[in-house]
Amino acid sequence: AQKVTQAQTEISVVEKEDVTLDCVYETRDTTYYLFWYKQPPSGELVFLIRRNSFDEQNEISGRYSWNFQKSTSSFNFTITASQVVDSAVYFCALSERYNQGGKLIFGQGTELSVKP
Amino acid sequence: DSGVTQTPKHLITATGQRVTLRCSPRSGDLSVYWYQQSLDQGLQFLIQYYNGEERAKGNILERFSAQQFPDLHSELNLSSLELGDSALYFCASSPSLGVGYTFGSGTRLTVV
Repeated sequence: AQKVTQAQTEISVVEKEDVTLDCVYETRDTTYYLFWYKQPPSGELVFLIRRNSFDEQNEISGRYSWNFQKSTSSFNFTITASQVVDSAVYFCALSERYNQGGKLIFGQGTELSVKP
Repeated sequence: DSGVTQTPKHLITATGQRVTLRCSPRSGDLSVYWYQQSLDQGLQFLIQYYNGEERAKGNILERFSAQQFPDLHSELNLSSLELGDSALYFCASSPSLGVGYTFGSGTRLTVV
């Protein structure tokens, strides 16, 4: 079965702190994609990253970094030196390439609050 | 502008009514996905169309139906609306299956 678990429902940090959002997934497929999306208070879903199952290289984009570990089925997201504008709900999602038409399975989301 | 257009942005309607949500996918994208985001259920996959044909179905209620037209735009029809149908409905499109998703800005449905 496909499943994405974001165990942290809410996280609150003070500006400039580093914060890691956890994501654990379950899939039987060998070919899959993992995603992170940001949903600011305005409501739209903002794409952050896509990672395929064959690429375990960690990725850094500015203050954002992602740690993909197949051995633990985790795809964690770290924000370095957080800013108030990072306050949002963050969703991790899974797509199985060849099953179910490629639909996205979302985790429940982690609400990040960055206080000044 | 993501390239995926959803209309209307907001909709307020009464219980028992029927509404139609519209989605125009990004140019060239053949696949359209519908998702529902409610407070208690989170982001749930409803249904997917690929080049006019239904491809996958999620936990979509029988009161809900969708279709994709020859010009690739899609409509989600919600009937006999209940208070619990109040949610943010997202449409996403992709050029093929499972890659390159682009989300629209959503339609916020309020059932009163």
